[in-house]
Amino acid sequence: GNSVTQMEGPVTLSEEAFLTINCTYTATGYPSLFWYVQYPGEGLQLLLKATKADDKGSNKGFEATYRKETTSFHLEKGSVQVSDSAVYFCALSDRKGGSNYKLTFGKGTLLTVNP
Amino acid sequence: ETGVTQTPRHLVMGMTNKKSLKCEQHLGHNAMYWYKQSAKKPLELMFVYNFKEQTENNSVPSRFSPECPNSSHLFLHLHTLQPEDSALYLCASSQEGLAVGTDTQYFGPGTRLTVL
Repeated sequence: GNSVTQMEGPVTLSEEAFLTINCTYTATGYPSLFWYVQYPGEGLQLLLKATKADDKGSNKGFEATYRKETTSFHLEKGSVQVSDSAVYFCALSDRKGGSNYKLTFGKGTLLTVNP
Repeated sequence: ETGVTQTPRHLVMGMTNKKSLKCEQHLGHNAMYWYKQSAKKPLELMFVYNFKEQTENNSVPSRFSPECPNSSHLFLHLHTLQPEDSALYLCASSQEGLAVGTDTQYFGPGTRLTVL
């Protein structure tokens, strides 16, 4: 079956530091890949997505490239801010037969950015 | 209102109470989902509705009863819950189809449920 593995946190950085959160996946088909972010006390917000190999998703300074050869979708940001403190979830979307697309999530990585 | 809304945002209930969670999506989508997020556990998909029809029930106990009267509204009726059911319940919606982008789910802010 499908699975997503992301680096365990927590990750603690100083403001303006470079961020990388690793994510690798296992899938039988050709999934789309996502990063969702969850701020404290909130639901999940779509941060970025990529639908096919070599696509780069980007939003709010965050980027991730769909690497089929390494089955990875690592999240990066060049300069983090305190407001980026949140839990980040990597996910893939796939479907079998006529069923709905299903999201498979990683366990989440807590990022704390200190001023 | 825009996106996906959920009410109430917080709910405290006793084990003998009956309550309902409400979700509404303003995105014109045709599929809706309930997820459970417990501390230190991955997100668990509970139910899937497609065009108001339930297409998936992931072995959820019968004390959770979903209802989808139309493509914009989704309810989760709760009765005789257990303390271990305390969690954040998230609703999501998507536009199911074959076109690119139909695999993206949009989430509401969640209802934080505490069962005493």
